[in-house]
Amino acid sequence: SQQGEEDPQALSIQEGENATMNCSYKTSINNLQWYRQNSGRGLVHLILIRSNEREKHSGRLRVTLDTSKKSSSLLITASRAADTASYFCATDEDNFNKFYFGSGTKLNVKP
Amino acid sequence: NAGVTQTPKFQVLKTGQSMTLQCAQDMNHNSMYWYRQDPGMGLRLIYYSASEGTTDKGEVPNGYNVSRLNKREFSLRLESAAPSQTSVYFCASFGGSPLHFGNGTRLTVT
Repeated sequence: SQQGEEDPQALSIQEGENATMNCSYKTSINNLQWYRQNSGRGLVHLILIRSNEREKHSGRLRVTLDTSKKSSSLLITASRAADTASYFCATDEDNFNKFYFGSGTKLNVKP
Repeated sequence: NAGVTQTPKFQVLKTGQSMTLQCAQDMNHNSMYWYRQDPGMGLRLIYYSASEGTTDKGEVPNGYNVSRLNKREFSLRLESAAPSQTSVYFCASFGGSPLHFGNGTRLTVT
């Protein structure tokens, strides 16, 4: 079955630095979504990008999608300690809206 | 507007017991999902329902059954609980916007 896979599995940076995490998938998609999850909490939606879009921004977040490489990246600029969380991508199989999540990138932002 | 409502929030079962997790959404979404999340892991899809009356297996369907009797409700049943099913369970719905999640059910099977 198709599943997004995040890379790296863990990332540790200093406050103020940028954080980049990647998501790769296997088949064609309609939508790709990024979520954040703080430890022991629910998922918070960050950005949804559709297959015909290449880049989206939301505040300090920038998401790109390269359908030829079947990959997406999430960039968090000027990171803060509050950005410490796990980040997941979710991808759907073409025409089915059947979303699979990757195993996530655990981001630690040191103050 | 409650969004996605999931019950119960917590449950402890003994091995072999059965239970049903309930999920309801009030956003008129066609698609609904059940996921499980084990500690330190991502969400794994158990079952997916594209519309009322249809269900489709996900990555980890063994040991579970689901029922989508109407557009609002999507239930998950464990017929004979096993310790390996100890996890946090999330129900979600989707209508073209982001996935909307319930608050989760923390299930422990002893």
